[in-house]
Amino acid sequence: EIVLTQSPGTLSLSPGERATLSCRASQSVTRHYIAWYQHKPGQAPRLLMYGASSRATGIPDRFSGSGSGTDFTLTISRLEPEDFAAYYCQQYNSSPRGYIFGQGTKLEIK
Amino acid sequence: EVQLLESGGGLVQPGGSLRLSCVASGFSFSSYAMSWVRQAPGKGLEWVSGISGSADNTYYADSVKGRFTISRDNSKNTLYLQVSSLRAEDTAIYYCAKFTTNWYYFDYWGQGTLVTVSS
Repeated sequence: EIVLTQSPGTLSLSPGERATLSCRASQSVTRHYIAWYQHKPGQAPRLLMYGASSRATGIPDRFSGSGSGTDFTLTISRLEPEDFAAYYCQQYNSSPRGYIFGQGTKLEIK
Repeated sequence: EVQLLESGGGLVQPGGSLRLSCVASGFSFSSYAMSWVRQAPGKGLEWVSGISGSADNTYYADSVKGRFTISRDNSKNTLYLQVSSLRAEDTAIYYCAKFTTNWYYFDYWGQGTLVTVSS
């Protein structure tokens, strides 16, 4: 089974700074099967990116995704106060059908 | 606007059962596969189960197979998760989520319902 490892576990930055979040797969995965989510306490998770690099509906362009093979990255170009949250990468597995999440990166205000 | 509203969580003893519900609105419910995803306290997200729009196909994580049953009533725009033989490690917030058309991702989520398994 594929394992997704996110790093760092916690990232402390200030508003206006650039955030780079990593998601590494234990084996090569199809980039079309990679998504990123934002999750704030007490709220519904929100789809940010799909297919590794496509922004979901309504997601601002300061969010971008990249990567292929085993290494994927979510970048937030200039942090806004509302961006401080937990972020998860997710991979779809076709056979057997399943969905794997990384353990998450907590983005906190420095 | 897509809305997903979960209910049915609560405190249950080990070995007990609950039925979780998720009422959907704002989209053609029967046209989309749906899913349950959970988050244990202090932990990350874990996919639990999925069901096709017609309910012909269901899928489960190994951790819940044989204990949980997913179902839906398209006439009521409602998704269900029957959780049985509950264990302490099933304690979590359970989220209802809508699949994208291709089943690859979850494009809308509810705010969750908390299930606590404790004696």
